[in-house]
This record gives sequence, C-alpha cells and structure tokens, in this order.
Amino acid sequence: QVQLQESGPGLVKPSDTLSLTCGVSGSYISSSKWWGWIRQPPGKGLEWIGHIYYSGSTYYSPSLKSRVTMSVDTSKNQFSLKLSSVTAVDTAVYYCARLYSGSYEAFDIWGQGTLVTVSS
Amino acid sequence: QSALTQPASVSGSPGQSITISCTGTSSDVGGYNSVSWYQQHPGKAPKLMIYEVSNRPSGVPDRFSGSKSGNTASLTISGLQAEDEADYYCNSYTSSSTVVFGGGTKLAVL
Repeated sequence: QVQLQESGPGLVKPSDTLSLTCGVSGSYISSSKWWGWIRQPPGKGLEWIGHIYYSGSTYYSPSLKSRVTMSVDTSKNQFSLKLSSVTAVDTAVYYCARLYSGSYEAFDIWGQGTLVTVSS
Repeated sequence: QSALTQPASVSGSPGQSITISCTGTSSDVGGYNSVSWYQQHPGKAPKLMIYEVSNRPSGVPDRFSGSKSGNTASLTISGLQAEDEADYYCNSYTSSSTVVFGGGTKLAVL
C-alpha cells in the first residue's frame, strides 16, 4: 500500500528557509499523480500550501506563492517543499499527501505529519 | 481566497443523524463538483471520507454521505457512533486552480 513520510528539521529560525521532504513508498512518484502539501497550525484548521505533478507542474496557494517552492526527485521517489522567510506564524504540522486519481481536491493518502516550529 | 465557512461545532446523540455544512461561493463550491470531506481525530492525520461531493472511498461506512446545493455542500452522518467524534473539514477546488479548506467543525457525540 502507498505510504508517505515527511522528514526535515523540527526547528527553524525566523527568516530562514523551511525545507521538508516527503518520501513515497508503495508507488512510483511518476505514476501520473499529483502530490501536495497541507499544514495545520497548532489548534487550528487545515491550510492548503500547494501541489506538484511528477513532471514538475505546480499550483501554489496565492497567500504563500511568493515564498513557496516545490520539487520532485523521481530518482529518490520523493517530493519536497521549501518555504522561505519563515516567521512564527509558519509554525505548524506539515502534511504531505496524494491527490486521488483524477481529482482536483481530494487527498486520499496522507503522511503522519511533522511539526515544524519557527523560533530563535 | 477565503476559507470555506463551516459551523464551529455540532453535536448529536448515538444513533442520531447530524449534518455539517460547508459554504463557499460560485467560484469554488458552487462552481464545481469538487468538494471533499475529511475526518481528523486528535493527533492524527486527516482521513478522506467523501470526494467529488458524494462519493465514498473504499472502506468508508455508508453512514457517511455528501451532497451539494448551490454554494453549500453538506456532510451527513447517520446512525452516529462514539468513534465519529472528531474534527471534520471540507475542501473545494477553485476557479483559480487552487484548493481551499473550510475552517473545520468539531463533532461531539453526547
């Protein structure tokens, strides 16, 4: 079965760049799927960050677009998120997820999530 | 883009039915049959319960159903069970080719 696993630093300093990777197992990342990132600040709701196709096509949240970069590494079967110039409001649990085949909005497989804290 | 509007909380007794609404605009919920619902228990990742307004993924009980009228989508849970107590989120595709989530609804099973 398909599984996703986020990895990356749990603590990032203000103004630095947050970098996370999502490893995909049980499926090839190039299997015609879109792969996404969603975050959830502590005690708050879900926020879509963006998603990426294996070929590199991307869609980003308008509110984060200027700071977000997503990429895919097919050789490592993983995709990545970079969020620049972070502040305390970027503190959240970050999830990677897979878009359900043919869907524009349904994320059917999720990673367990990783808490990233922005603090000096 | 603004978050979709959901009630902060709903409650029901075991065996009862409840409905959670998700209101957007003609640029998201009302414009596409691309609304999904997620269940999230504390400390866990969200779980897809309904996609494309009314479709259930394999393994989701048929007590969960979805519908849409105009700019409002709804999730109905019938035969409420204790394990249904969780946070529920809707999301929708938008005319800007982006995705927007609702603010979430806390379901209490009394």
